[in-house]
Amino acid sequence: SQTIHQWPATLVQPVGSPLSLECTVEGTSNPNLYWYRQAAGRGLQLLFYSVGIGQISSEVPQNLSASRPQDRQFILSSKKLLLSDSGFYLCAWSGAGELFFGEGSRLTVL
Amino acid sequence: AQSVTQLDSHVSVSEGTPVLLRCNYSSSYSPSLFWYVQHPNKGLQLLLKYTSAATLVKGINGFEAEFKKSETSFHLTKPSAHMSDAAEYFCVVRLYSGGGADGLTFGKGTHLIIQP
Repeated sequence: SQTIHQWPATLVQPVGSPLSLECTVEGTSNPNLYWYRQAAGRGLQLLFYSVGIGQISSEVPQNLSASRPQDRQFILSSKKLLLSDSGFYLCAWSGAGELFFGEGSRLTVL
Repeated sequence: AQSVTQLDSHVSVSEGTPVLLRCNYSSSYSPSLFWYVQHPNKGLQLLLKYTSAATLVKGINGFEAEFKKSETSFHLTKPSAHMSDAAEYFCVVRLYSGGGADGLTFGKGTHLIIQP
């Protein structure tokens, strides 16, 4: 069966520090992969999606970037975090017309 | 263009009473529609989906939703609320014609509160 892992689960970082969130999928090949963000009191915002290795589409301009170095690995990064980057980040993959989500990463920027 | 509107940001019901979470969509195409649930600090879990088969869709945990094309609605219901149903619920629409990110659009969510 397919599983999706996301880490770290929680992260507290100072403003200006770098960020790396990692997501891996098991049990499927060539999945479409997604990074979403939930800010407090807001819905889900699609940040990036990828249909294959090295193929990244950005949905909104921001302080973040994404990479897909391997088929089932999706990384969310920032060189310098802003206060507004705080939120709950969710990785997901799609299959059979559905989205399957990871458990999320809670980022607090102080 | 497509959009999805969840009509209530918060819904509060007593345990054992019915639940109704409302969702309206707009789409130029025949949509696929989904309801996801999110418990605090967790990822989203699929409750049920409509993909142009039966208009009344049954999901997990006793939830169901009815697709009404004439009303462009896909409301989520449950006959009897349980304390464990307290969570955030998202209505999602997807175009068959696809598009970026599989053409998915999320509603802003409805926070369901269960009173003991």
